[in-house]
Amino acid sequence: DAGITQSPRHKVTETGTPVTLRCHQTENHRYMYWYRQDPGHGLRLIHYSYGVKDTDKGEVSDGYSVSRSKTEDFLLTLESATSSQTSVYFCAIRRLYHSYEQYFGPGTRLTVT
Amino acid sequence: AQSVTQLDSQVPVFEEAPVELRCNYSSSVSVYLFWYVQYPNQGLQLLLKYLSGSTLVKGINGFEAEFNKSQTSFHLRKPSVHISDTAEYFCAVSDRISEGNKLVFGAGTILRVKS
Repeated sequence: DAGITQSPRHKVTETGTPVTLRCHQTENHRYMYWYRQDPGHGLRLIHYSYGVKDTDKGEVSDGYSVSRSKTEDFLLTLESATSSQTSVYFCAIRRLYHSYEQYFGPGTRLTVT
Repeated sequence: AQSVTQLDSQVPVFEEAPVELRCNYSSSVSVYLFWYVQYPNQGLQLLLKYLSGSTLVKGINGFEAEFNKSQTSFHLRKPSVHISDTAEYFCAVSDRISEGNKLVFGAGTILRVKS
């Protein structure tokens, strides 16, 4: 258990509405990541953070923004949700002193209607 | 850019039979390699990793994988599967010099173990 929680776990929203997903960690890790999982694509990196207020884009960042105002929380925002953003979203952390692997949260299933 | 190919989208196998899930990656630069497992409606769990050293890596639940640099492959094997191994398996790679240790995942292989 890497001490990662995600909220909400499930959400249904309408096209055009803003949505924020939260990832919370209890172990004070520096690196945090947001992925989306879609059938046939595996997991794809959206954004990641390497410290408070330090973030960078991943492979599929268009339409998403992130914020990290404190070490334990990493927020993913869809400014205006679209049906193509229906997906399962996973947050992950990297334990810097544990050999580079990432540990994943339980996921958030988002449906945009 | 790095890419990962999992050659089989689904692998059906009978219980107690051996299984191999295939993974190839694109880059010849130094890499870290991982296999993750995802049980239905759960997050991803690390099965095993290759960072350096011995090319044969052992993981949890009796799985092992072999790193082959010349073939840029990292195939996952288990000599005898159980019903409980039914899950989706993901191969992932990170370039050693990648900023932020970004992982690139394959599309996944669904292992279906039949009795």
